Amino acid sequence: GDSVTQMEGPVTLSEEAFLTINCTYTATGYPSLFWYVQYPGEGLQLLLKATKADDKGSNKGFEATYRKETTSFHLEKGSVQVSDSAVYFCALAAQGGSEKLVFGKGTKLTVNP
Amino acid sequence: GAGVSQSPSNKVTEKGKDVELRCDPISGHTALYWYRQSLGQGLEFLIYFQGNSAPDKSGLPSDRFSAERTGGSVSTLTIQRTQQEDSAVYLCASSLTVLTDTQYFGPGTRLTVL
Repeated sequence: GDSVTQMEGPVTLSEEAFLTINCTYTATGYPSLFWYVQYPGEGLQLLLKATKADDKGSNKGFEATYRKETTSFHLEKGSVQVSDSAVYFCALAAQGGSEKLVFGKGTKLTVNP
Repeated sequence: GAGVSQSPSNKVTEKGKDVELRCDPISGHTALYWYRQSLGQGLEFLIYFQGNSAPDKSGLPSDRFSAERTGGSVSTLTIQRTQQEDSAVYLCASSLTVLTDTQYFGPGTRLTVL
């Protein structure tokens, strides 16, 4: 079945550091790929998405590129802020619809001033 | 406009009791999803609805779990004879249709079974 594997945390960085959170997936066809973020005490929010190979999703300074050849969707940000501290989830929706999202285990990011 | 809402936000119950969790999707969204978030299992899919029909119930952990949706809007997840392992955050999401890949999540209901 479909699955998502993401880098286990926790990840601790200093403000303005570069962030990469790795995510790889297993799926048939061409799934849509997502990063969701969960800030402390809040619900899951969509951060960015990409629906086809080589698409780049971006939002709030975060980027991720859909790489079909490496089945990856790594999340990057050039300069993190304390306010980026949260849990980040990589997810996929099967090609043709989203009857369910398949999530990775989540990566907790803490950014220190 | 209003997002997905869930109630209650927190529920503490005793083992063996029944609980009902409610989800109000975004207005106009025909697809509704239930997930469970627990420490040991991460985020797990439970069930989804297209309109009032539930084509995929494969994620429901046992026959103690059931869900319904009425009027193509509000959904209720019911857990009968709760067990301690049911303790988790139950998340509801909605999307325009099941062919629309972006799901919008509610704040969740934290269930604690004593």
